[in-house]
Amino acid sequence: AQSVTQLDSQVPVFEEAPVELRCNYSSSVSVYLFWYVQYPNQGLQLLLKYLSGSTLVESINGFEAEFNKSQTSFHLRKPSVHISDTAEYFCAVHPYPGGGSNYKLTFGKGTLLTVNP
Amino acid sequence: DTAVSQTPKYLVTQMGNDKSIKCEQNLGHDTMYWYKQDSKKFLKIMFSYNNKELIINETVPNRFSPKSPDKAHLNLHINSLELGDSAVYFCASSQDMGEYNEQFFGPGTRLTVL
Repeated sequence: AQSVTQLDSQVPVFEEAPVELRCNYSSSVSVYLFWYVQYPNQGLQLLLKYLSGSTLVESINGFEAEFNKSQTSFHLRKPSVHISDTAEYFCAVHPYPGGGSNYKLTFGKGTLLTVNP
Repeated sequence: DTAVSQTPKYLVTQMGNDKSIKCEQNLGHDTMYWYKQDSKKFLKIMFSYNNKELIINETVPNRFSPKSPDKAHLNLHINSLELGDSAVYFCASSQDMGEYNEQFFGPGTRLTVL
């Protein structure tokens, strides 16, 4: 089975400040890693994903995340946030094919990023 | 041009009632899912269907019954609604269940049981 821990339930920051949202996972099998974003009163959108290759992945709106296998982490960062980045951010894992009955997305409990002017 | 749509967006009902939530995807995907997001925003899978066949059935009370009339639709019927069923329910779809494929989520249905 897999589990995902997002240590911070809320992260308030000021506009243009850097931010890091932490994600650690536990799994007995190899997994793919994801960050989803949920803007207020909307569904989830995929922000970025790590499937293979370079451990640093980037999104089109300036977020990046780095897969660290030894620390089983996939922290999300942005060097300068905007008010429009205010949203709930979910880290998730999905086992490789052949993951058996646990072949599903497992989410963390989310981190609410609030960007203040 | 909505990829994954759900109806209704809001649903308010009394305890003990039976209600349905509908989901449709126009992406041509083979796999569809239902997720429940509780009041603390925790998101957990309930069911998944692949080509109209039930694949994942998490430990969900049997008052919840998914039905997939065709690959593009996955409806969720809930009998004898309870207060604890109040949540936001998200439908999602993906290409298939082979190599990982991105899941596309609907806008959610906010269910309130009084």
